[in-house]
Amino acid sequence: GENVEQHPSTLSVQEGDSAVIKCTYSDSASNYFPWYKQELGKGPQLIIDIRSNVGEKKDQRIAVTLNKTAKHFSLHITETQPEDSAVYFCAALIKAAGNKLTFGGGTRVLVKP
Amino acid sequence: DAGVTQSPTHLIKTRGQQVTLRCSPISGHKSVSWYQQVLGQGPQFIFQYYEKEERGRGNFPDRFSARQFPNYSSELNVNALLLGDSALYLCASSRAGGRNTEAFFGQGTRLTVV
Repeated sequence: GENVEQHPSTLSVQEGDSAVIKCTYSDSASNYFPWYKQELGKGPQLIIDIRSNVGEKKDQRIAVTLNKTAKHFSLHITETQPEDSAVYFCAALIKAAGNKLTFGGGTRVLVKP
Repeated sequence: DAGVTQSPTHLIKTRGQQVTLRCSPISGHKSVSWYQQVLGQGPQFIFQYYEKEERGRGNFPDRFSARQFPNYSSELNVNALLLGDSALYLCASSRAGGRNTEAFFGQGTRLTVV
């Protein structure tokens, strides 16, 4: 089955700096890679996603890159703000397995003002 | 438009009891998936339903069951509760099943088994 590894588990950055979270996946059949932000007491919120036919996608201060050959993908947050503090999860989906998302272990991001 | 709604938000049950959790997907979405999130971990897939049919099942015991209704809402049932079932149970709604479409989560039901 699919396995998703996420690093680092915690990340502390100064406000205005960039944050990078990396994930690797095991199943080459994975073709959809969403990223979720989860704040305390809330459900995961979809913030950006990328499909296997695209190498990079950007939405304002966040961007995601995908390297299918190496089977890894990354989330980049630029100009971090205190409200970016949360737990971030990467996930991978295998089309043949329906809409089952396999999640990484999460990264707790703290943006220090 | 309303997002994914789950009820109840919190629940406390005793070991051995049974529990039913409910989920209403986003209007127009026909697929509902259930996930279990233990504190400090990522969500783990339990079930996916599309058009009232089970489309996927995760590695959970038969004590876990679910169903989807004609209006696409869904229930997750857990029998013979164990302490280890304490977790945040998340429902995700997506437009279609079996395709790589966006999944949107509800706020979850926090289940505590004592």
